[in-house]
Amino acid sequence: AQSVTQPDIHITVSEGASLELRCNYSYGATPYLFWYVQSPGQGLQLLLKYFSGDTLVQGIKGFEAEFKRSQSSFNLRKPSVHWSDAAEYFCAVGTYYGQNFVFGPGTRLSVLP
Amino acid sequence: EPEVTQTPSHQVTQMGQEVILRCVPISNHLYFYWYRQILGQKVEFLVSFYNNEISEKSEIFDDQFSVERPDGSNFTLKIRSTKLEDSAMYFCASRAPGQGRNGYTFGSGTRLTVV
Repeated sequence: AQSVTQPDIHITVSEGASLELRCNYSYGATPYLFWYVQSPGQGLQLLLKYFSGDTLVQGIKGFEAEFKRSQSSFNLRKPSVHWSDAAEYFCAVGTYYGQNFVFGPGTRLSVLP
Repeated sequence: EPEVTQTPSHQVTQMGQEVILRCVPISNHLYFYWYRQILGQKVEFLVSFYNNEISEKSEIFDDQFSVERPDGSNFTLKIRSTKLEDSAMYFCASRAPGQGRNGYTFGSGTRLTVV
């Protein structure tokens, strides 16, 4: 079964600074990887996904993520953070047939003005 | 873009009462899920449902829980006798067949508060 770790529980960055949120996965085959964002009290919104092809994927809200098979990582990045990006970010891993979709524990992002 | 709709957005119930959380999945999706997120904790899998039966469930999904697709559009989660520790955000999700690469589409959640 697959698993996901997000080493950083909480990250604080200043508005305008760059951001990288880490995600590591464990899965025996090629994973399908996702990043979701959850604003306070809200649902889960899909930011971006990777399942094949170019290892650098672009998502909504200016986010991108890079799949590195050798490091079993799928880190989320944004070059310039906005105050509205403050939220909880969840990395998730799925499989080809869509079963066993597993979330990481999440990273809470705070943005300083 | 198609959405998964959950109602109510917030429900308060007394301990021991039964609650039904409702979800309307995307119309051409065939796989349905419930996840739970206790405040400040990770999103946890509860149950998956396909072809009118449970295909997988976690250890959280005990005899107090049940799911149903009563009318071909709604997908419900029933908690028979709520406990304080059932207080959480409950997310419904759905996906189309063979669409593992698209991930799941999640609803906006129902916040259940048991008092």
